[in-house]
Amino acid sequence: QVQLVESGGGVVQPGRSLRLSCAASGFTFSNYGMHWVRQAPGKGLEWVAVIWYDASNKYYVDSVKGRFTISRDNSKNTLYLQMNSLRAEDTAVYYCARYDGGTIFGLDQWGQGTLVTVSS
Amino acid sequence: DIVMTQTPLSSPVTLGQPASISCRSSQSLVHSDGNTYLSWLQQRPGQPPRLLIYKISNRFSGVPDRFSGSGAGTDFTLKISRVEAEDVGVYYCMQAKQFPFTFGGGTKVEIK
Repeated sequence: QVQLVESGGGVVQPGRSLRLSCAASGFTFSNYGMHWVRQAPGKGLEWVAVIWYDASNKYYVDSVKGRFTISRDNSKNTLYLQMNSLRAEDTAVYYCARYDGGTIFGLDQWGQGTLVTVSS
Repeated sequence: DIVMTQTPLSSPVTLGQPASISCRSSQSLVHSDGNTYLSWLQQRPGQPPRLLIYKISNRFSGVPDRFSGSGAGTDFTLKISRVEAEDVGVYYCMQAKQFPFTFGGGTKVEIK
């Protein structure tokens, strides 16, 4: 079955960096666009970034542009989110999600999330 | 950016009774390809989001038929025909017409 497992979260000081990973299994990873979505404590969902199936295109929400970088390694079935210059407002659970652009045109599979806490 | 507005914020429902959630977008979600990329997600307490409905009205695999979606253009509705205890959680609409994808603020469904 499809599995997405995030890792790399933790407590980090403002201004520092963190890299999140999302290990995918149970499907052909290289055929799907992948997204990061975050959820601040007690708040709603916020879309963060997307990467095309072949990494040819990437888009970011304005609040993370220039600080976050999404990437993928299709040989390792892994999605990444490099987060630099972290701010308190980046504190959230970060989910990776698969985008089905063939039939569903939506985020059809989600990981359990990894918590990032930015605090001094 | 497309703004997604959900109402109500909270919906206390008696078990077995229907529930309805509205979602309005700040611009039409009809893509140039003719499809409307509006989906609904459910987030149970302590769980990640889960896709319920895609392209307005299509139930995702394994979703009970008591869930239904409708609407067009900028106005959309999610209905639960008879609320069960396992339906407690927060429901989000999401547009995938253009980047950035955006979500509604969420509607909390709880049992009276």
